[in-house]
Amino acid sequence: EVQLVESGGGLVQPGRSLRLSCAASGFTFDDYAMHWVRQAPGKGLEWVSGISWNSGSIGYADSVKGRFTISRDNAKNSLYLQMNSLRAEDTALYYCAKDIRGGGPPWEYFDYWGQGTLVTVSS
Amino acid sequence: AIRMTQSPSSFSASTGDRVTITCRASQGISSYLAWYQQKPGKAPKLLIYAASTLQSGVPSRFSGSGSGTDFTLTISCLQSEDFATYYCQQYYSYPGTFGQGTKVEIK
Repeated sequence: EVQLVESGGGLVQPGRSLRLSCAASGFTFDDYAMHWVRQAPGKGLEWVSGISWNSGSIGYADSVKGRFTISRDNAKNSLYLQMNSLRAEDTALYYCAKDIRGGGPPWEYFDYWGQGTLVTVSS
Repeated sequence: AIRMTQSPSSFSASTGDRVTITCRASQGISSYLAWYQQKPGKAPKLLIYAASTLQSGVPSRFSGSGSGTDFTLTISCLQSEDFATYYCQQYYSYPGTFGQGTKVEIK
């Protein structure tokens, strides 16, 4: 059974940093691209960042480019999102999502999602 | 980025109804479209990909159609468990973009 479990969310002040993690199991992690998708309270889905199976291709939404860094550790079956210079508009539930393929952009669609970790940016 | 527009944004329906949700892309995306269902407090669930291919395990009352710029998601006989918000997503070009969502509520 595929499982994606996010962690690392919390309340953080504007301008500070936070690192999210996603632990994957139930599939061959290093065969697939992985993504972070967020959902602000009461709003829709927004793709944040994606990384190919070997970290060779990485992409970011314009809204987070230069502030967020995605990475993965295939030996640990884990995905990460380092979030710096956080803003109030980054407040959202952050989902880890599995791509159906391993390569780089354009990426595909997402067949499995975690339950999300909530990031609240507020003073 | 390609803009995806869903209509309506929300509507009410009754169990047993046939319902249709529309998704329009700002430019042609061939059949590179997925549909997701999201229930309150839950993660999105993949329903359909390639515009019309049902994901394994998804009930056959769900169907998708369209290509180019105009797409539809149809639920042939609405069940109680189908009351949720539905999102389309294009993956034709980078970055993949979602529609704003369509909430299906109980009448």
